[in-house]
Amino acid sequence: GAVVSQHPSRVICKSGTSVKIECRSLDFQATTMFWYRQFPKKSLMLMATSNEGSKATYEQGVEKDKFLINHASLTLSTLTVTSAHPEDSSFYICSASASRFYNEQFFGPGTRLTVL
Amino acid sequence: AQSVTQLDSHVSVSEGTPVLLRCNYSSSYSPSLFWYVQHPNKGLQLLLKYTSAATLVKGINGFEAEFKKSETSFHLTKPSAHMSDAAEYFCVVFTNAGKSTFGDGTTLTVKP
Repeated sequence: GAVVSQHPSRVICKSGTSVKIECRSLDFQATTMFWYRQFPKKSLMLMATSNEGSKATYEQGVEKDKFLINHASLTLSTLTVTSAHPEDSSFYICSASASRFYNEQFFGPGTRLTVL
Repeated sequence: AQSVTQLDSHVSVSEGTPVLLRCNYSSSYSPSLFWYVQHPNKGLQLLLKYTSAATLVKGINGFEAEFKKSETSFHLTKPSAHMSDAAEYFCVVFTNAGKSTFGDGTTLTVKP
């Protein structure tokens, strides 16, 4: 149980286009979902926290107009990278949690974004 | 406020020898502590977790960790390293405030 999927696993796009990444909790209802960014050979950096039906809370330094997060249902959150540029290339990982999983988050497999 | 310090950015061991990956934390709340492993170009895999039950936690693949509140440590150990253990390891603190903090990671190299 507690499986989180991400789609796509890998995406290549041209500079200036927008890219949407989906994060789904497959076998539980996630009250909270988190989006992380990981640079090569670096740790994960929390970008934002989203609760179903409300606006995401962004970490300091993360542009909310650049990284649009929608948490429309208890099993789906999306991250849209708008007007992507090469510096947005990164590994994006989502995680999901629910109150019954005390303090634990379940991570998706990640999405590799390459902006040309 | 909370923080995680992984004391070694790189650890190199020979196959069959013990592994020790060190993690210290600070947290204003009662923390839950986790160790994750990440193989190249892969997602995170949970190794083990401490959530205020037994202080010695056993995980997958022979790993275990001991929560020491007095030392604010949660070091990861394995009696005998295997080549497949070579990866990046992250110590993570989660709190009931919904915040997660990752350590910078430790790269484990296993020599034949």
